[in-house]
Order: sequence, then structure tokens, then C-alpha cells
Amino acid sequence: SQQGEEDPQALSIQEGENATMNCSYKTSINNLQWYRQNSGRGLVHLILIRSNEREKHSGRLRVTLDTSKKSSSLLITASRAADTASYFCATVLNTGFQKLVFGTGTRLLVSP
Amino acid sequence: NAGVTQTPKFRVLKTGQSMTLLCAQDMNHEYMYWYRQDPGMGLRLIHYSVGEGTTAKGEVPDGYNVSRLKKQNFLLGLESAAPSQTSVYFCASSPRDPSYNEQFFGPGTRLTVL
Repeated sequence: SQQGEEDPQALSIQEGENATMNCSYKTSINNLQWYRQNSGRGLVHLILIRSNEREKHSGRLRVTLDTSKKSSSLLITASRAADTASYFCATVLNTGFQKLVFGTGTRLLVSP
Repeated sequence: NAGVTQTPKFRVLKTGQSMTLLCAQDMNHEYMYWYRQDPGMGLRLIHYSVGEGTTAKGEVPDGYNVSRLKKQNFLLGLESAAPSQTSVYFCASSPRDPSYNEQFFGPGTRLTVL
């Protein structure tokens, strides 16, 4: 079963607004990563946050991690039409070979 | 630097036919992966390889075989295609343990099995 579940499944906003996506997971993790996928393309890595970190920033991206609630959020500030894409969280578990386990994704539409 | 490339980009098969998907990376990465992406399911790991000559099963390996004869190439084979294998297939690579490094993805292969 999927480790991560994103919420909401779809999000529609105007340019300049902030977009927040949430990810919940089930078991203990080593780290959590966020990826973006433009329509018809492969995934592109955005940011990685380790289990001992609570918040991380990269440009207009802010990621938080709450291991007690087994959840993470991705905030995109001052969104642009070019941010339109699907966003996936992926967890790396603490057991065995540390594979990425992807969530189901959030489809973000940013209108001009 | 081409990154991760996949061949072919599109393919239509009839049930029972076989085919091989080719993934190549020019980043000298040790680890390579094959995923499938289905609507509403996210990506699921089919097989992976931690180095030349090694392969291992992922989450959904049934009906697929893989080979890693050269470090830069990772082949995914379907011996007898089934409609349930209609999907978009992504190859990815990473330089070492993915707990510390991102994975780099190819553009995908859209496969339809009739």
C-alpha cells in the first residue's frame, strides 16, 4: 500500500497566492522528499528533509516535517503559472534498502 | 549531459507480445530503478539495481524482468505483455544511498497493451 497520502488531491489557485500541500505517512522514516512532475514529463526533485529536521527552505519552497504526527507540508509562496504541476511526497523508510515510496500526488493548477 | 534517457517514448503492444524498455544514464550513478505510474496510484517500484550485474525486486515485480549488464544501462523486459501492464514507465538513477540523494528521472515510456 502507498506509504504517503497527499492532501488535497487537487488545488486550484491564482498567481501570487500561496499553495500548501500536505503529506501523511504511516511508518518511521529516514527522510522525506518532494518531487514535481509537469504534465507528460518525468519527476524532478525539489527538496529533501531528514527525520531530525523540522523545517527547510529552498527559494519559494518551505517544507515542514512533524514526525510525531507523521506528516509533512510543502508551501509554495507567490505561486506562478509555471508552478502548475503534480507534486509528490516520497518517504525513505528506516528498514531494509532505503527505497523511495511515493504518495499519490497533488495536482496544482495556478491560473494567471 | 543527457541525464537519464528512455527508449522508446511510446509503444503499443498486443497481449502476449514481448518488449524491452531501455534506460541509459550518463551520470555514473550506482543505483538505478524502474517505476510504473498509474492514474491515482503514484509511482510504484518494479525493480532496482544497486550496481552493475545486480538486480532486486521492488513492490510490483511480477511480469517483469530486468538486467544491468553495464553500469549505465538498465533494461526492463516484458516477456508476455498483459493489459494490466498498460502504464507509464519511468526509469531513475541516483549516485548512492537514496536516503541522502535525490533520484533523477527519465522522461517516461507510455505503454499500451491491447
